[in-house]
Amino acid sequence: AAGVIQSPRHLIKEKRETATLKCYPIPRHDTVYWYQQGPGQDPQFLISFYEKMQSDKGSIPDRFSAQQFSDYHSELNMSSLELGDSALYFCASSLRGDSVETQYFGPGTRLLVL
Amino acid sequence: SQQGEEDPQALSIQEGENATMNCSYKTSINNLQWYRQNSGRGLVHLILIRSNEREKHSGRLRVTLDTSKKSSSLLITASRAADTASYFCATDQRNFGNEKLTFGTGTRLTIIP
Repeated sequence: AAGVIQSPRHLIKEKRETATLKCYPIPRHDTVYWYQQGPGQDPQFLISFYEKMQSDKGSIPDRFSAQQFSDYHSELNMSSLELGDSALYFCASSLRGDSVETQYFGPGTRLLVL
Repeated sequence: SQQGEEDPQALSIQEGENATMNCSYKTSINNLQWYRQNSGRGLVHLILIRSNEREKHSGRLRVTLDTSKKSSSLLITASRAADTASYFCATDQRNFGNEKLTFGTGTRLTIIP
């Protein structure tokens, strides 16, 4: 079965640079979530989108923005990168209205800021 | 702030033994899910238990939920080396206006062959 696809899988950036992470949800899924997991920490919710509209927001820095496109893929844009942004970034997708609405996670993008 | 805390933080057992991990949370939930993560890789969904359920089984996994104590446990029976991973509980408060999953701190399980 198709899973959530994230690209790139690994990314190295310098401080103050920008980065764009992409997420392709499971086909037919209409909701996308972004999470950030720092080293040795649990995943923290950043933002979610349903039908291309932002639906919930967590602890996402103002330097970050995200959107969901007409084909339901999502992009997380990160500007003025800081060392502390080094983390594993997960995208998850779900189908709203599904009886349990399980969130299925992608493999993650590992971002290293130098 | 973290919704869930897991206990223990680390657990090492011999292959074939049973492993039990506990999770506590703070607020009302819609459901509780358990995920597995191998060494900095993706999160794999294991099992979901709804707030009106008390116990659920899936293969070698058994999950219990006690909403009065706001706690859950994950039991892995007849452990295997491949079960070595970090295990996270995550709560869903969808019915209370939050779509996000809030994760616990995780238990790092090591199975000794």
